[in-house]
Parts: sequence; C-alpha cells; structure tokens
Amino acid sequence: DIQMTQSPSSLSSFVGDRVTITCRASQGVGISNYLAWYQQKPGEVPKVLIYGASTLQSGVPSRFSGSGYGTEFTLTISSLQPEDVATYYCQKYNRAPLSFGGGTKVEI
Amino acid sequence: QVQLVQSGAEVKKPGASVKVSCKTSGYNFNKFGINWVRQAPGQGLEWMGWISTYNDNRNYAQNLQDRLVMTIDTSTSTAYMELRSLIPDDTAVYYCAREKSREAFCFEFWGQGTQVTVSS
Repeated sequence: DIQMTQSPSSLSSFVGDRVTITCRASQGVGISNYLAWYQQKPGEVPKVLIYGASTLQSGVPSRFSGSGYGTEFTLTISSLQPEDVATYYCQKYNRAPLSFGGGTKVEI
Repeated sequence: QVQLVQSGAEVKKPGASVKVSCKTSGYNFNKFGINWVRQAPGQGLEWMGWISTYNDNRNYAQNLQDRLVMTIDTSTSTAYMELRSLIPDDTAVYYCAREKSREAFCFEFWGQGTQVTVSS
C-alpha cells in the first residue's frame, strides 16, 4: 500500500508569512492527482480545502493553494492568518486504502 | 442541506462491540459512498473503510478487517459502523464522511463525531 508522508510535522510562522507543507506518496507509480488537503482546527471536524491536488473547494479562501502530481504535492498558504492555526492533513483517494498523511500542525 | 448526524458517545469494556450510526439527509443517499475515519486522542486521522450505498460493496483497512463491519439501511438513509473485540487502543473519535462525488472520493461532508471509550 502507498503511504503518505507529510513534512514538516509542525511549524511556527508569523502572520503574513508564506507557508508550504509537503506530502509525498511512498511508491514510484504515484497517485496521479487524487490528492486532497484537509484542515482540522482544535475540537472541530476536518474540512476539505483542496481536492484533485489543486482544485480549491468552494468557500475556501484563495490564500490556500495546492500543487503537485504523482508522488509529490504541496499545500501553500500565501499569507498566514491567525484563523489558519490548525493541523493540516493530506489524503490519497485514488484507490483504497484512502490513507492520510500524519498531519502538520501550524502555529503562529 | 447535506447533514450527517451520528449517534452519541459510548463507553465499552475491552472485548465488547460498539455500533455507531450515521443518519444522513439532504441528498440522495444511494448516490454517494460513506467512509468511516477515526482519530485517537492527540493523534492523526485514520481511514477505516468505505461502503457503497448503491451496490453494497465494502473496502476495509487491512488492520481492522477482522473486527469491522459496515452496513447501511437505505430505508432510513443511515450508515452503521460496528467494531468488535474492542481494545483500549480503539478509544477514539469516530467520524462518518460522505465522498464529494463519483469523480472525487475525498470527504466533503462529515458527521459531528462519536467518542468511543474502551476501558475496564
């Protein structure tokens, strides 16, 4: 099975900074663009931000963007805001198991 | 609007079973599969499995397939997740989640979560 690895596991940045999170699929064949990013704020249910590696979910602020294909993907927050404090997860959904990455905790 | 409403918190002893329900509304139940995801305290998200609501197919995570049963009741648009032979490591918040579409199987809609505590 393909494993999803995120880095870093945590980061701390300033308001207004550009933040980048990476997600890698373990096997060379890759997952095409079947990759989603979720945001989970403390005590809340996860929320999908990006799907298809780069498609912004309706209602999600445009400071969030995704890129990548195959085995390497990135989530970028162009200008970090206080409300972006959360843990971010990538997920593959090309085929089962629909594994999540280990998460990246973003702090300010 | 789409809603997934889960049953309430459960406390179980080791070796027992738990069954969590996920009642859906606001869309055609038969058009979108249901996934179950759990999150142990302070840990990340773990995909448990998926059930089709149109042909009853299932796909379970390998580490749970001996103890996990997913079912649906189309008459009430409700999905169920039963986990058997519980151990303390099964203590977690359990979520049901609906796939976004037939083309994008990411999870657009989530239940509110059900806390399951396994303790003697």
